[in-house]
Amino acid sequence: AQSVAQPEDQVNVAEGNPLTVKCTYSVSGNPYLFWYVQYPNRGLQFLLKYITGDNLVKGSYGFEAEFNKSQTSFHLKKPSALVSDSALYFCAVRGLYNQGGKLIFGQGTELSVKP
Amino acid sequence: EAQVTQNPRYLITVTGKKLTVTCSQNMNHEYMSWYRQDPGLGLRQIYYSMNVEVTDKGDVPEGYKVSRKEKRNFPLILESPSPNQTSLYFCASRLAGSHEQYFGPGTRLTVT
Repeated sequence: AQSVAQPEDQVNVAEGNPLTVKCTYSVSGNPYLFWYVQYPNRGLQFLLKYITGDNLVKGSYGFEAEFNKSQTSFHLKKPSALVSDSALYFCAVRGLYNQGGKLIFGQGTELSVKP
Repeated sequence: EAQVTQNPRYLITVTGKKLTVTCSQNMNHEYMSWYRQDPGLGLRQIYYSMNVEVTDKGDVPEGYKVSRKEKRNFPLILESPSPNQTSLYFCASRLAGSHEQYFGPGTRLTVT
């Protein structure tokens, strides 16, 4: 079965420092991986995806993610955090069967960036 | 503006009182889904639709119904809500052949 784990409930970073939000996955077959961000009282917004190709994927708002097949990880990174990056981040993998493009989400990681 | 809209955004109701949460998208997407978000569990798919009149169960369909009579609309129906359906609900849509899902702003439902 497809599954995603985000081992940290919360990540705290000082503004200007690099940030990493961790994600590991378990899939049958090739993984289709995604990162979404949720700001307070808002829906989820797409950040980036890995389908195939380069292991380093660049996305919105300066975020990037590194796909590591041997470690089954897809960590989200940003070189210099902003206070406005504070939000809830979800890693997701596409379900094994189509099911309307079902996404299987991790439990989420709360990112807090302090000035 | 391309978007997914949901109504209402907030709803407090009592056990057993039928309710409907509407979802509409203006992007002509074929695929639509409903998810519920619960703390520590992420989002879980309730139902999905691959096109008009084509719907199927997701991972947690018990207690919910859906319909897809028009391409743009995908309402979620709770015939007899119970307190364990208290949750944050998201509607999402996707264009066939695309991997990116667009999410609505969410509906926070409380069942007492």
